[in-house]
Amino acid sequence: EAQLVESGGGLVQPGGSLRLTCAGTRFSSILYWMSWVRQAPGKGLEWVANIKQDGSEKYYAASVWGRFTMSRDNANNLMYLQMNSLRVEDTAVYYCAREGQESSTNFFYAMDVWGQGTTVTVSS
Amino acid sequence: SYGLTQSPSVSVSPGQTASITCSGDKLGDKFVSWFQHTPGQSPVLVIYQDNRRPSGIPERFSGSTSGNTATLTISGTQAFDEADYYCLAWDSSTPYVFGPGTKVSVL
Repeated sequence: EAQLVESGGGLVQPGGSLRLTCAGTRFSSILYWMSWVRQAPGKGLEWVANIKQDGSEKYYAASVWGRFTMSRDNANNLMYLQMNSLRVEDTAVYYCAREGQESSTNFFYAMDVWGQGTTVTVSS
Repeated sequence: SYGLTQSPSVSVSPGQTASITCSGDKLGDKFVSWFQHTPGQSPVLVIYQDNRRPSGIPERFSGSTSGNTATLTISGTQAFDEADYYCLAWDSSTPYVFGPGTKVSVL
């Protein structure tokens, strides 16, 4: 069964930076689009960013555009989220998620495998 | 920016059917999926591409779309179905947008 494990969360001051890491096991991440999704305290799910299999395409939510950068290391089944210029409103549990597919041309357009999440707290 | 609407809460008796709706402009032109999220756990995909069930999801969960509204139906609702349910819409112009979520209570 495919698994994802996030790490790198913690407490950071406003304006600071943090890099989250997502490690995939029991599947080959090079075959999949990957996403980051977050949930702020007391709020709903919010899609943050995603990246194509080969890293050639990346998309971001307007709320993080220009501050967050998603990347991947397919050789090691790793995904990253570099977060700069952090704001109090970025405080959330951040989930790494795999975007499902039935084949290389038939995508779920949804996330079928999720990590357990890592908590980011932005506070002075 | 694109937005989706969901009712904040739905209550259902055990064994009955729960219907959760998600509305948005031209939602029928997008791919809609649904997630079950229990506090403290990771979200679980229950429906993708409007009405397809991932492997391992019971047939009690079904999805449909009509016009600007998508519906998740849970038949024979059980106590362990109590959770927050989120819709997610995708198209090439607005990659992913989640709905605000619906809290399903089994009373």
